[in-house]
Amino acid sequence: RKEVEQDPGPFNVPEGATVAFNCTYSNSASQSFFWYRQDCRKEPKLLMSVYSSGNEDGRFTAQLNRASQYISLLIRDSKLSDSATYLCVVRAFSGGYQKVTFGTGTKLQVIP
Amino acid sequence: EAQVTQNPRYLITVTGKKLTVTCSQNMNHEYMSWYRQDPGLGLRQIYYSMNVEVTDKGDVPEGYKVSRKEKRNFPLILESPSPNQTSLYFCASRGTSGYYEQYFGPGTRLTVT
Repeated sequence: RKEVEQDPGPFNVPEGATVAFNCTYSNSASQSFFWYRQDCRKEPKLLMSVYSSGNEDGRFTAQLNRASQYISLLIRDSKLSDSATYLCVVRAFSGGYQKVTFGTGTKLQVIP
Repeated sequence: EAQVTQNPRYLITVTGKKLTVTCSQNMNHEYMSWYRQDPGLGLRQIYYSMNVEVTDKGDVPEGYKVSRKEKRNFPLILESPSPNQTSLYFCASRGTSGYYEQYFGPGTRLTVT
């Protein structure tokens, strides 16, 4: 089983739609969780951190479910500019140091 | 402007010809790392450095070397590149307090023929 798993997509959704992605992780000792956004072959950029109580930033909502070991990202009122690949990132202590693991990403295509 | 820079952005080389990809950050970050990104495999860490003169292997270190002589610079060295090192490479840095956002460089697209 991969340490961090994401559905690669693509998710093709019309403008204005609500779309949700999940990401599962295997290490129950994982401590920090993030969503990064990556535009085609450009560098990843932090979209939002994921807090235990869940958090919202405008049209974006992130949730953490420790019992089932997954995080989610919800995008409301999708815009064309939301088209990108969304990377799930998990940080855990492993062997005395912090290990950061990236998911392979979920591709979102918002269509007019 | 806070940033991570990498050079070159694009490089085509031949098998066995040593090359260095430079990485520099202006945020006074202690932690720096190198990743490669390949289709279907996502970002995989090559090497990382917790501070000056402290480096360690990531998940895929074979065929790579790094050094950290100054806090701001973290070059990636391929002593004898091979075609399986054709990839998109990212350098990243972050602080060691707070929520640890990683800042990525713009990427270096390397082709080894």
